[in-house]
Amino acid sequence: AIRMTQSPSSFSASTGDRVTITCRASQGISSYLAWYQQKPGKAPKLLIYAASTLQSGVPSRFSGSGSGTDFTLTISCLQSEDFATYYCQQYYSYPPYTFGQGTKLEIK
Amino acid sequence: EVQLVQSGAEVKKPGESLKISCKGSGYSFTSYWIGWVRQMPGKGLEWMGIIYPGDSDTRYSPSFQGQVTISADKSISTAYLQWSSLKASDTAMYYCVRHIGRGWFDPWGQGTLVTVSS
Repeated sequence: AIRMTQSPSSFSASTGDRVTITCRASQGISSYLAWYQQKPGKAPKLLIYAASTLQSGVPSRFSGSGSGTDFTLTISCLQSEDFATYYCQQYYSYPPYTFGQGTKLEIK
Repeated sequence: EVQLVQSGAEVKKPGESLKISCKGSGYSFTSYWIGWVRQMPGKGLEWMGIIYPGDSDTRYSPSFQGQVTISADKSISTAYLQWSSLKASDTAMYYCVRHIGRGWFDPWGQGTLVTVSS
């Protein structure tokens, strides 16, 4: 199975900050990567697919980049509603599809 | 609106059986794979398996093969996840998801919390 590793696992930031979360695959996955946001007590929500394509309705302050093994999710100007846990997921090879361990973004 | 609506929370004892459901609406249920994702308390997301309701083709993660059964009834646009003998370690939130394209997930059901305790 392809292993997905996110960094950092958690960090604190302030409203208005620009933040970047990294996701690394254990082997090349082309651009077959999605990002999800999960708020406490809620189901995850799709933010980005194909590494950089913004899902309809997702604010443009979210962006994704990368291909091969290294990917990033960037939030350009943090809003209060963005404090959540973020997961990357590869869909290059299955079974199984695999997720990163998650990055918890907390308010500083 | 595309929606997946899951059955309610369950509390079971070890050894009991269970079948939870996920009903799709707002799209052609038989044209998209439906998957299941586990989230244990305080932990991350684990993909369990998928089914294509159009022909019931089913694939499992090696970690869950033999531990659960995924099925679907296309006549009522509903997918299922079942256990024949629950363990305490099956305590988790379970989400159903619609697979899009090569395999990203949207939308997600609201989740079904399964608690297994003696």
